Amino acid sequence: GESVGLHLPTLSVQEGDNSIINCAYSNSASDYFIWYKQESGKGPQFIIDIRSNMDKRQGQRVTVLLNKTVKHLSLQIAATQPGDSAVYFCAETTGFQKLVFGTGTRLLVSP
Amino acid sequence: DAGVTQSPTHLIKTRGQQVTLRCSPISGHKSVSWYQQVLGQGPQFIFQYYEKEERGRGNFPDRFSARQFPNYSSELNVNALLLGDSALYLCASSGEASGGSTDTQYFGPGTRLTVL
Repeated sequence: GESVGLHLPTLSVQEGDNSIINCAYSNSASDYFIWYKQESGKGPQFIIDIRSNMDKRQGQRVTVLLNKTVKHLSLQIAATQPGDSAVYFCAETTGFQKLVFGTGTRLLVSP
Repeated sequence: DAGVTQSPTHLIKTRGQQVTLRCSPISGHKSVSWYQQVLGQGPQFIFQYYEKEERGRGNFPDRFSARQFPNYSSELNVNALLLGDSALYLCASSGEASGGSTDTQYFGPGTRLTVL
């Protein structure tokens, strides 16, 4: 069945470091992938997305890489800041609007 | 511009009761989806509505139902509440609000439901 999983449940970094959060997905038919950031007590916040016809997409301080061969997705955050501390979810969709989320990775940024 | 709004923020119910949660999408968005997020897990898809029609349903019992109104707002109803229904219920909207992707879903803050 469909599943989206993350390799590391918790990632601890120092302020200013670059962070990499990884995600494995199992449905090769997925054609759209999104990274969300969720702070405590809040709903998921859209960070960046990528379609299956792309390998890389960059935003402000964030980059998403997609490797369809091994069904792997990663989120890179440059110059990580304390405000980046949150739980990060990758999500995939194969159809109209149904997102399949993983369990999340907690990013802890120390000053 | 206002984002997705949900009400109420918090709700406490007892087993067997019924609950109605409400969601207003981003202005111009025609699609609304509902997700359940149990503590420590990722959101699970419940329903998706587009132009007032159900487009998708997740693996949830018939106790869960939803509808979308002509103004694109939506309600999620849960009957015969169980302890396991305690969760954060998230609403997400998507659509051509500003010419962007129609697939991107933007989430509201959620309704925290506690069933005692």
